[in-house]
Amino acid sequence: AQSVTQPDIHITVSEGASLELRCNYSYGATPYLFWYVQSPGQGLQLLLKYFSGDTLVQGIKGFEAEFKRSQSSFNLRKPSVHWSDAAEYFCAVRADGLTFGKGTHLIIQP
Amino acid sequence: DAMVIQNPRYQVTQFGKPVTLSCSQTLNHNVMYWYQQKSSQAPKLLFHYYDKDFNNEADTPDNFQSRRPNTSFCFLDIRSPGLGDAAMYLCATSRDIAGGSSYEQYFGPGTRLTVT
Repeated sequence: AQSVTQPDIHITVSEGASLELRCNYSYGATPYLFWYVQSPGQGLQLLLKYFSGDTLVQGIKGFEAEFKRSQSSFNLRKPSVHWSDAAEYFCAVRADGLTFGKGTHLIIQP
Repeated sequence: DAMVIQNPRYQVTQFGKPVTLSCSQTLNHNVMYWYQQKSSQAPKLLFHYYDKDFNNEADTPDNFQSRRPNTSFCFLDIRSPGLGDAAMYLCATSRDIAGGSSYEQYFGPGTRLTVT
């Protein structure tokens, strides 16, 4: 069965600093991988996805992620965070529905 | 704009009183999903409809049912809500075609269910 691990429950970053959120997956075949962002009380918004091809994928809001098959990872990055990036971030792998990691809560310090 | 709509956004029901949550979509997607998200947890898939075919997750309680009368609408019925069913319920859609294509899912804003 597929699974997703997000090892960091909370991350605090200063505004303007760089960000990396970690995601490791377990899946028997070629994974379809996603990062979603969720603001409090809201639904999930897709940031980016990886299906195949270039292992570095660009998303919305200045985010990017790199797929590394050898490490079973799909880490999310942003070179300079803004206060509006404070939210919950979920990594997910697709089978029938989506299997989500437990999420990383991002806090932005002024 | 094409979107996934969930009504109501907030629902309060009494313990044991049946409740129905609604989802509609203007994306004309063929797959619709229901997820349950409890506080500070990841969304968990309850079931999905692939066209008219209903697919239940193995660990979804029998208390949860779903109906999809047409492409645009999907309902989540909780027959006898318990206190443990209080959660955010998220509807999502995707456009999948036979052969394993895996398009991304588009989520509605969710319905927050409170059980008193």
